[in-house]
Amino acid sequence: EDQVTQSPEALRLQEGESSSLNCSYTVSGLRGLFWYRQDPGKGPEFLFTLYSAGEEKEKERLKATLTKKESFLHITAPKPEDSATYLCAVPRFGNEKLTFGTGTRLTIIP
Amino acid sequence: DTAVSQTPKYLVTQMGNDKSIKCEQNLGHDTMYWYKQDSKKFLKIMFSYNNKELIINETVPNRFSPKSPDKAHLNLHINSLELGDSAVYFCASSQTRFERDRGLDLLNEKLFFGSGTQLSVL
Repeated sequence: EDQVTQSPEALRLQEGESSSLNCSYTVSGLRGLFWYRQDPGKGPEFLFTLYSAGEEKEKERLKATLTKKESFLHITAPKPEDSATYLCAVPRFGNEKLTFGTGTRLTIIP
Repeated sequence: DTAVSQTPKYLVTQMGNDKSIKCEQNLGHDTMYWYKQDSKKFLKIMFSYNNKELIINETVPNRFSPKSPDKAHLNLHINSLELGDSAVYFCASSQTRFERDRGLDLLNEKLFFGSGTQLSVL
């Protein structure tokens, strides 16, 4: 069965302390991978789509990268407002459905 | 203006009751979804609708009955609520067209989510 696993489950960083979140998947014929951000009490919000190994996308302090087996969300010099749960998702069944990972809960301490 | 709005935000009810959650999107999207997020934050698709037509039913018990009166609205009715139904339910929409010979293609699409309905069954 296709699986999407995110690690770590939770991450606490000091403001300005850079780190990376991981999303690994066991999906044959991966055609793309999505990153979403979810704030407490809200629905997920789209961040990035990556289509092929080697691709990178950036938005402010976030950079997403993709290899053949995993994706990383790098956060550089984070600020408290970057605190959120970050979810990755992959399309499956001919791209008709998204399988989401369980997320990484990121907390940035001022 | 909220792009995808769902009501109520919180729903507390007893086992065995019937309840509904409403969802509306003002983005002009063709496709709408219901997702369930459990206590471990695992987000799972329940239903996909395109232009009022059910496209995907992800083996959800038939106590759950979605209804789409028009392509801007997708409501979820739940009969005989059970303890295990407690979760956060998210409505979402996307500008994804459906072709019968190709199905839905989410690869190039963004999903826009509502703020969720936290359902607690006591």
